[in-house]
Amino acid sequence: DQQVKQNSPSLSVQEGRISILNCDYTNSMFDYFLWYKKYPAEGPTFLISISSIKDKNEDGRFTVFLNKSAKHLSLHIVPSQPGDSAVYFCAARSGGSNYKLTFGKGTLLTVNP
Amino acid sequence: SQTIHQWPATLVQPVGSPLSLECTVEGTSNPNLYWYRQAAGRGLQLLFYSVGIGQISSEVPQNLSASRPQDRQFILSSKKLLLSDSGFYLCAWSVGRAGANVLTFGAGSRLTVL
Repeated sequence: DQQVKQNSPSLSVQEGRISILNCDYTNSMFDYFLWYKKYPAEGPTFLISISSIKDKNEDGRFTVFLNKSAKHLSLHIVPSQPGDSAVYFCAARSGGSNYKLTFGKGTLLTVNP
Repeated sequence: SQTIHQWPATLVQPVGSPLSLECTVEGTSNPNLYWYRQAAGRGLQLLFYSVGIGQISSEVPQNLSASRPQDRQFILSSKKLLLSDSGFYLCAWSVGRAGANVLTFGAGSRLTVL
């Protein structure tokens, strides 16, 4: 059972426009959500997180929105840059287990110049 | 500053051969350590995690095993590799329980089983 879902395997946007990456989850016990960025043949790097008690967190060009009632979160990148092209993973931490993150399958973002 | 080292970076092994991937963390003590695998077209799957020396938790049944002989060393092993073991293996660490438990990943090890 996939508890964290990223239903769009890929997304293509133009440089300067907004990129919106979506993530859905099923486990109500998740208390933190994170976004990671991954380039080919490298390990993922942490981008931004949000606590389940908040609905928005912003860090520079990156903003994460959380809609708990819909069990949905999204990552907005504004403005998008070609260097943002990578696979983006959504991850969630269960409140009852402090050591594990459950990841989605990832979305490949391509930002075209 | 903390760093994580993972090796080898690339490995091609025949079916039935053994496996040993190593991971070490520097600049921190008593980290939580993890092994994840990214198979082709799949997300990141947690294989093992450890909260201390000799303490290993397995997430999925498989022919892989993990060991933590020292505080900052985590080893992934197999006695006999299967074709399905091919993938990109990632070691990661985190510290503490508070907050989002942000994991820091190593550069990964690409394993191809032929």
